[in-house]
Amino acid sequence: GDSVTQMEGPVTLSEEAFLTINCTYTATGYPSLFWYVQYPGEGLQLLLKATKADDKGSNKGFEATYRKETTSFHLEKGSVQVSDSAVYFCALDTGTASKLTFGTGTRLQVTL
Amino acid sequence: GAGVSQSPSNKVTEKGKDVELRCDPISGHTALYWYRQRLGQGLEFLIYFQGNSAPDKSGLPSDRFSAERTGESVSTLTIQRTQQEDSAVYLCASSQTGSYGYTFGSGTRLTVV
Repeated sequence: GDSVTQMEGPVTLSEEAFLTINCTYTATGYPSLFWYVQYPGEGLQLLLKATKADDKGSNKGFEATYRKETTSFHLEKGSVQVSDSAVYFCALDTGTASKLTFGTGTRLQVTL
Repeated sequence: GAGVSQSPSNKVTEKGKDVELRCDPISGHTALYWYRQRLGQGLEFLIYFQGNSAPDKSGLPSDRFSAERTGESVSTLTIQRTQQEDSAVYLCASSQTGSYGYTFGSGTRLTVV
């Protein structure tokens, strides 16, 4: 079945540090890939997405590239801020409007 | 509405009681999803509605769990005879058919004591 594996958290970084959160997937067919973010006390929000191989999703300084050859969709940001502290979820969808399969989430804590 | 609304935001119930959780999706969104998020774990799919019908209810963990949706609007998730392992945040999301990018509600935190 479909699955998503994310790196374990929590990840603690100083402000302005470089961020990478690893995500790999297993899926039949050609999934679309997503990163969602959950800020404290809020619902999940779509951060970025990529729908085919080699696509790069980007938003708010975050980027992730759909790598079919390594079945990966790692999230990166060049310089994190305290306000980026949240839980980040990698997810995939193998069909339009079908269910999302989520990873377990990675908590990011950014300190001054 | 402007977003997906869930109620109640918090619910504490005694083991063995029934609970009903409500989700108001974004107006015009035909697809609606329920997920469960246990403490320290990822999101677990429960059920998917397309309009009134539920083409995928494969994630419902037992027959104590049921869900319904009226029209392309409100959905209720009912848990009968709650158990302590039902304690979790229950999340609802909606989307337009054929559209990627689900909008999630803030969830209902259920605590079974």
